[in-house]
Amino acid sequence: QPVLTQSSSASASLGSSVKLTCTLSSGHSTYIIAWHQQQPGKAPRYLMKLEGSGSYNKGSGIPDRFSGSSSGADRYLTISNLQFEDESDYYCETWDSNTRVFGGGTKLTVL
Amino acid sequence: QVLLQESGPGLVKPSGTLSLTCAVSGGSISSSNWWSWVRQPPGKGLEWIGEISHSGSTSYNPSLKSRVTISLDKSKNQFSLKLSSVTAADTAVYYCATARSGPFDSWGQGTLVTVSS
Repeated sequence: QPVLTQSSSASASLGSSVKLTCTLSSGHSTYIIAWHQQQPGKAPRYLMKLEGSGSYNKGSGIPDRFSGSSSGADRYLTISNLQFEDESDYYCETWDSNTRVFGGGTKLTVL
Repeated sequence: QVLLQESGPGLVKPSGTLSLTCAVSGGSISSSNWWSWVRQPPGKGLEWIGEISHSGSTSYNPSLKSRVTISLDKSKNQFSLKLSSVTAADTAVYYCATARSGPFDSWGQGTLVTVSS
Protein backbone atom coordinates (compact mmCIF):
# COMPACT_ATOMS: atom_id res chain seq x y z
CA GLN A 1 0.00 0.00 0.00
CA PRO A 2 1.23 3.54 -0.73
CA VAL A 3 2.72 5.79 1.95
CA LEU A 4 2.57 9.61 1.78
CA THR A 5 5.26 11.76 3.43
CA GLN A 6 4.77 15.43 4.30
CA SER A 7 6.89 17.91 6.24
CA SER A 8 5.34 18.61 9.62
CA SER A 9 5.45 22.38 9.33
CA ALA A 10 6.01 25.31 6.96
CA SER A 11 5.83 29.06 7.24
CA ALA A 12 5.70 32.02 4.87
CA SER A 13 4.89 35.70 5.00
CA LEU A 14 1.58 37.35 4.24
CA GLY A 15 1.29 38.04 0.51
CA SER A 16 4.11 35.67 -0.45
CA SER A 17 3.94 32.18 -1.96
CA VAL A 18 4.57 28.78 -0.40
CA LYS A 19 5.02 25.32 -1.94
CA LEU A 20 4.04 22.29 0.13
CA THR A 21 5.29 18.81 -0.75
CA CYS A 22 3.74 15.36 -0.55
CA THR A 23 6.02 12.45 -1.52
CA LEU A 24 4.75 9.07 -2.66
CA SER A 25 6.55 5.92 -1.53
CA SER A 26 8.70 3.81 -3.82
CA GLY A 27 6.69 1.93 -6.42
CA HIS A 28 3.81 4.38 -6.20
CA SER A 29 5.23 7.40 -8.00
CA THR A 30 2.48 7.49 -10.65
CA TYR A 31 -0.38 7.69 -8.18
CA ILE A 32 -2.96 10.46 -8.26
CA ILE A 33 -3.33 12.35 -5.00
CA ALA A 34 -5.65 14.95 -3.53
CA TRP A 35 -4.97 17.94 -1.31
CA HIS A 36 -7.26 18.88 1.58
CA GLN A 37 -7.19 21.97 3.79
CA GLN A 38 -8.19 21.88 7.45
CA GLN A 39 -8.58 25.25 9.12
CA PRO A 40 -8.33 25.29 12.94
CA GLY A 41 -11.36 23.67 14.55
CA LYS A 42 -12.99 22.85 11.22
CA ALA A 43 -13.56 19.82 9.04
CA PRO A 44 -11.21 19.15 6.13
CA ARG A 45 -12.08 20.76 2.79
CA TYR A 46 -11.24 19.24 -0.58
CA LEU A 47 -8.89 21.47 -2.59
CA MET A 48 -7.88 19.52 -5.69
CA LYS A 49 -7.04 16.26 -7.40
CA LEU A 50 -3.48 16.16 -8.76
CA GLU A 51 -2.07 13.72 -11.32
CA GLY A 52 1.52 12.67 -11.87
CA SER A 53 1.53 14.68 -15.10
CA GLY A 54 0.92 17.84 -13.08
CA SER A 55 -2.63 18.20 -14.31
CA TYR A 56 -5.04 19.17 -11.54
CA ASN A 57 -8.76 19.75 -10.99
CA LYS A 58 -9.88 21.98 -8.15
CA GLY A 59 -12.96 21.66 -6.03
CA SER A 60 -15.84 24.07 -6.22
CA GLY A 61 -15.04 27.57 -4.99
CA ILE A 62 -11.31 27.05 -4.50
CA PRO A 63 -9.49 30.32 -5.25
CA ASP A 64 -7.10 30.69 -8.16
CA ARG A 65 -4.31 31.27 -5.61
CA PHE A 66 -4.20 27.48 -5.09
CA SER A 67 -2.43 25.40 -7.73
CA GLY A 68 -0.81 22.01 -8.06
CA SER A 69 2.21 20.50 -9.81
CA SER A 70 4.17 17.25 -9.86
CA SER A 71 7.73 15.99 -10.32
CA GLY A 72 8.44 12.26 -10.14
CA ALA A 73 7.07 10.98 -6.84
CA ASP A 74 6.56 14.48 -5.48
CA ARG A 75 3.23 16.26 -5.54
CA TYR A 76 3.11 19.97 -4.75
CA LEU A 77 0.54 22.44 -3.53
CA THR A 78 1.42 26.07 -4.20
CA ILE A 79 -0.46 28.88 -2.50
CA SER A 80 0.17 32.35 -3.90
CA ASN A 81 -0.56 35.72 -2.31
CA LEU A 82 -0.85 34.10 1.12
CA GLN A 83 -3.69 35.28 3.33
CA PHE A 84 -4.09 34.81 7.07
CA GLU A 85 -7.04 32.48 6.43
CA ASP A 86 -4.65 30.11 4.64
CA GLU A 87 -3.08 29.26 8.01
CA SER A 88 -4.23 25.65 8.23
CA ASP A 89 -3.19 22.03 8.22
CA TYR A 90 -2.82 20.59 4.73
CA TYR A 91 -3.21 16.87 4.08
CA CYS A 92 -2.54 14.83 0.98
CA GLU A 93 -4.58 11.71 0.26
CA THR A 94 -4.23 8.82 -2.13
CA TRP A 95 -6.11 5.61 -2.77
CA ASP A 96 -5.60 2.12 -4.06
CA SER A 97 -7.87 -0.88 -4.45
CA ASN A 98 -9.55 -1.29 -1.08
CA THR A 99 -7.53 1.32 0.79
CA ARG A 100 -7.09 5.03 1.33
CA VAL A 101 -4.09 6.75 2.87
CA PHE A 102 -3.39 10.21 4.26
CA GLY A 103 -0.08 11.96 4.72
CA GLY A 104 0.78 13.15 8.20
CA GLY A 105 -0.16 16.73 7.36
CA THR A 106 1.75 20.01 7.11
CA LYS A 107 0.94 22.84 9.49
CA LEU A 108 1.23 26.13 7.59
CA THR A 109 1.89 29.32 9.53
CA VAL A 110 1.37 32.70 7.87
CA LEU A 111 3.75 35.25 9.35
CA GLN B 1 -23.39 19.16 -3.88
CA VAL B 2 -23.76 16.32 -1.41
CA LEU B 3 -24.06 17.39 2.23
CA LEU B 4 -23.13 15.05 5.09
CA GLN B 5 -24.07 15.25 8.77
CA GLU B 6 -22.78 12.96 11.52
CA SER B 7 -24.80 12.08 14.62
CA GLY B 8 -24.44 9.80 17.61
CA PRO B 9 -23.41 9.65 21.27
CA GLY B 10 -20.52 11.87 22.29
CA LEU B 11 -19.50 9.59 25.16
CA VAL B 12 -18.90 5.84 25.05
CA LYS B 13 -17.71 3.61 27.89
CA PRO B 14 -14.52 1.56 27.54
CA SER B 15 -15.14 -1.90 26.03
CA GLY B 16 -18.43 -0.64 24.59
CA THR B 17 -19.45 -0.07 20.98
CA LEU B 18 -19.25 3.29 19.25
CA SER B 19 -22.16 3.88 16.88
CA LEU B 20 -22.45 6.83 14.49
CA THR B 21 -24.74 7.71 11.60
CA CYS B 22 -24.11 9.96 8.60
CA ALA B 23 -27.17 11.52 6.99
CA VAL B 24 -26.81 12.30 3.28
CA SER B 25 -28.65 15.19 1.63
CA GLY B 26 -28.43 16.69 -1.84
CA GLY B 27 -27.81 13.29 -3.36
CA SER B 28 -28.75 9.63 -3.17
CA ILE B 29 -26.81 7.06 -1.23
CA SER B 30 -27.64 4.69 -4.08
CA SER B 31 -25.47 6.72 -6.47
CA SER B 32 -22.05 5.46 -7.52
CA ASN B 33 -20.21 7.06 -4.63
CA TRP B 34 -18.07 5.52 -1.95
CA TRP B 35 -19.24 6.42 1.58
CA SER B 36 -16.48 6.59 4.18
CA TRP B 37 -15.53 7.22 7.78
CA VAL B 38 -12.34 9.04 8.82
CA ARG B 39 -11.21 9.91 12.34
CA GLN B 40 -8.82 12.39 13.90
CA PRO B 41 -7.54 11.95 17.48
CA PRO B 42 -7.05 15.24 19.35
CA GLY B 43 -4.01 17.08 17.98
CA LYS B 44 -3.21 14.35 15.45
CA GLY B 45 -3.69 13.62 11.76
CA LEU B 46 -6.41 11.96 9.72
CA GLU B 47 -6.95 8.19 9.76
CA TRP B 48 -9.14 6.36 7.24
CA ILE B 49 -11.44 3.86 8.95
CA GLY B 50 -13.26 2.28 6.03
CA GLU B 51 -15.89 2.70 3.32
CA ILE B 52 -18.91 1.18 1.64
CA SER B 53 -20.10 1.37 -1.94
CA HIS B 54 -23.66 1.99 -3.11
CA SER B 55 -23.95 -1.77 -3.69
CA GLY B 56 -22.80 -2.60 -0.16
CA SER B 57 -19.19 -3.63 -0.84
CA THR B 58 -16.94 -2.68 2.07
CA SER B 59 -13.23 -1.99 2.63
CA TYR B 60 -11.66 -1.43 6.03
CA ASN B 61 -8.37 -0.18 7.43
CA PRO B 62 -6.46 -3.37 8.33
CA SER B 63 -5.55 -1.93 11.73
CA LEU B 64 -9.24 -1.60 12.64
CA LYS B 65 -10.84 -4.30 10.50
CA SER B 66 -11.61 -6.74 13.33
CA ARG B 67 -13.66 -4.11 15.18
CA VAL B 68 -15.37 -2.12 12.39
CA THR B 69 -18.68 -2.50 10.57
CA ILE B 70 -19.98 0.04 8.03
CA SER B 71 -23.49 -0.34 6.65
CA LEU B 72 -26.01 1.44 4.41
CA ASP B 73 -29.63 2.34 5.13
CA LYS B 74 -31.09 3.23 1.73
CA SER B 75 -34.56 3.86 3.14
CA LYS B 76 -33.17 6.69 5.26
CA ASN B 77 -30.44 7.81 2.83
CA GLN B 78 -27.76 7.34 5.45
CA PHE B 79 -24.84 5.13 6.38
CA SER B 80 -23.46 4.02 9.72
CA LEU B 81 -20.31 3.10 11.61
CA LYS B 82 -19.95 0.63 14.45
CA LEU B 83 -16.63 0.26 16.28
CA SER B 84 -16.52 -2.36 18.99
CA SER B 85 -14.34 -2.91 22.07
CA VAL B 86 -13.38 0.75 22.27
CA THR B 87 -10.60 2.14 24.44
CA ALA B 88 -9.35 5.65 25.20
CA ALA B 89 -7.24 5.41 22.03
CA ASP B 90 -10.49 5.56 20.01
CA THR B 91 -11.27 9.05 21.34
CA ALA B 92 -11.37 11.26 18.25
CA VAL B 93 -13.39 13.50 16.00
CA TYR B 94 -15.18 11.20 13.57
CA TYR B 95 -15.92 12.47 10.05
CA CYS B 96 -18.03 10.97 7.32
CA ALA B 97 -16.89 11.70 3.77
CA THR B 98 -17.72 10.69 0.23
CA ALA B 99 -15.82 10.12 -3.00
CA ARG B 100 -17.27 9.99 -6.50
CA SER B 101 -14.21 8.93 -8.47
CA GLY B 102 -11.01 9.05 -6.51
CA PRO B 103 -10.57 11.47 -3.63
CA PHE B 104 -12.94 12.58 -0.92
CA ASP B 105 -14.75 15.61 -2.34
CA SER B 106 -17.25 16.22 0.42
CA TRP B 107 -16.86 16.02 4.20
CA GLY B 108 -19.23 16.17 7.16
CA GLN B 109 -18.59 18.66 9.94
CA GLY B 110 -17.36 15.95 12.32
CA THR B 111 -18.45 14.76 15.75
CA LEU B 112 -16.28 14.29 18.83
CA VAL B 113 -16.53 10.91 20.52
CA THR B 114 -14.88 10.47 23.90
CA VAL B 115 -14.23 7.04 25.39
CA SER B 116 -14.38 7.30 29.15
CA SER B 117 -16.08 5.69 32.13
